[in-house]
Amino acid sequence: AQSVTQPDIHITVSEGASLELRCNYSYGATPYLFWYVQSPGQGLQLLLKYFSGDTLVQGIKGFEAEFKRSQSSFNLRKPSVHWSDAAEYFCAVGGGNNDMRFGAGTRLTVKP
Amino acid sequence: GAVVSQHPSWVICKSGTSVKIECRSLDFQATTMFWYRQFPKQSLMLMATSNEGSKATYEQGVEKDKFLINHASLTLSTLTVTSAHPEDSSFYICSAARTPPYNEQFFGPGTRLTVL
Repeated sequence: AQSVTQPDIHITVSEGASLELRCNYSYGATPYLFWYVQSPGQGLQLLLKYFSGDTLVQGIKGFEAEFKRSQSSFNLRKPSVHWSDAAEYFCAVGGGNNDMRFGAGTRLTVKP
Repeated sequence: GAVVSQHPSWVICKSGTSVKIECRSLDFQATTMFWYRQFPKQSLMLMATSNEGSKATYEQGVEKDKFLINHASLTLSTLTVTSAHPEDSSFYICSAARTPPYNEQFFGPGTRLTVL
């Protein structure tokens, strides 16, 4: 069965600094990988997804993620964080049967 | 495209009553819909998977008699929390998937349930 690990429960960065959120997955076949963002009391917003092809994926709001099969990772990055990026971030892995599993989430705090 | 709505967005009910939450795919047909539960500051936990016209498949530990799921059409699934208790208070999120080979779920905005 697939699983997702987000090692960092909480990360604090200064506004303007770069950001990397880690995600490691376990899946027997080629995974479908996703990053979502959730603001307090809100639903999920898809930032980006990887199905196949180019392993560097561009998403919305200036985010990107890189699929590294050898490391079973799909880390999310942003070169310069904005205060509005403060939220909860979830990595998820899906399979061909539409099943999806979420990581525990990483809470991002942005310092002024 | 691929918009999913939920209704209501929030609901407060008394202990012992039942609450129905609707999940609709607005611009596509969803062969499969999913219901998740999210406690404060926690991740989404899959409760059940439903396919149109068939019984839902519940995850281990989820009471099927308490959380009734009906997927009567390709655009509508409902979750009914029966005899709700305060411990059922949570954020419930649904998602919908189109016919394969699409391997992506589209998420609704969530419903906040508070049981007094």
